[in-house]
Amino acid sequence: DSGVTQTPKHLITATGQRVTLRCSPRSGDLSVYWYQQSLDQGLQFLIQYYNGEERAKGNILERFSAQQFPDLHSELNLSSLELGDSALYFCASSVGGAPNQPQHFGDGTRLSIL
Amino acid sequence: GESVGLHLPTLSVQEGDNSIINCAYSNSASDYFIWYKQESGKGPQFIIDIRSNMDKRQGQRVTVLLNKTVKHLSLQIAATQPGDSAVYFCAENIGAGTYKYIFGTGTRLKVLA
Repeated sequence: DSGVTQTPKHLITATGQRVTLRCSPRSGDLSVYWYQQSLDQGLQFLIQYYNGEERAKGNILERFSAQQFPDLHSELNLSSLELGDSALYFCASSVGGAPNQPQHFGDGTRLSIL
Repeated sequence: GESVGLHLPTLSVQEGDNSIINCAYSNSASDYFIWYKQESGKGPQFIIDIRSNMDKRQGQRVTVLLNKTVKHLSLQIAATQPGDSAVYFCAENIGAGTYKYIFGTGTRLKVLA
């Protein structure tokens, strides 16, 4: 058990809808990362937060947004969903703000768009 | 929860043998590397990391080798066990203080009894 909790485990919705994925980092970790994992690609970095502030952005679509709350949990919001958004979404956390630290992953949210 | 569904390279090894999984990384400026293990239905699990100022690092039953000249990383698993069956992939931090990581697509390790 990595200590990173993601909810829900599975989400099925329709095109055009909006969903929110939730992540609780490991106790004591200040950084949260979001990744997308599709069948035909490896993990794609979306965005990172450190202690409530956005630190780095990857290949995140404008339809997607995230935030990290004062209690350090994070939410990833996906809107105007398209079929291609079907994927596994992972959250990871690390202790501090330095980039060269191991990231510990949750078990992901599987998003299926019908 | 597998990193890539259909076309992952596969390494099959006999139980008890040593496994070597390779990774070619992309950026010569990358200064930190991590190996992850991902079992079906699970998130990636940290195995071992190495910084670019090292050539080799050992953990429990695992060794990571880094060859910066050819931008190559390998993970050696000693005395491979059935529980080692999973997808393994490397991640590189592209350096210069960035928080972005590039992940490989992975290798599927199958341990044969």
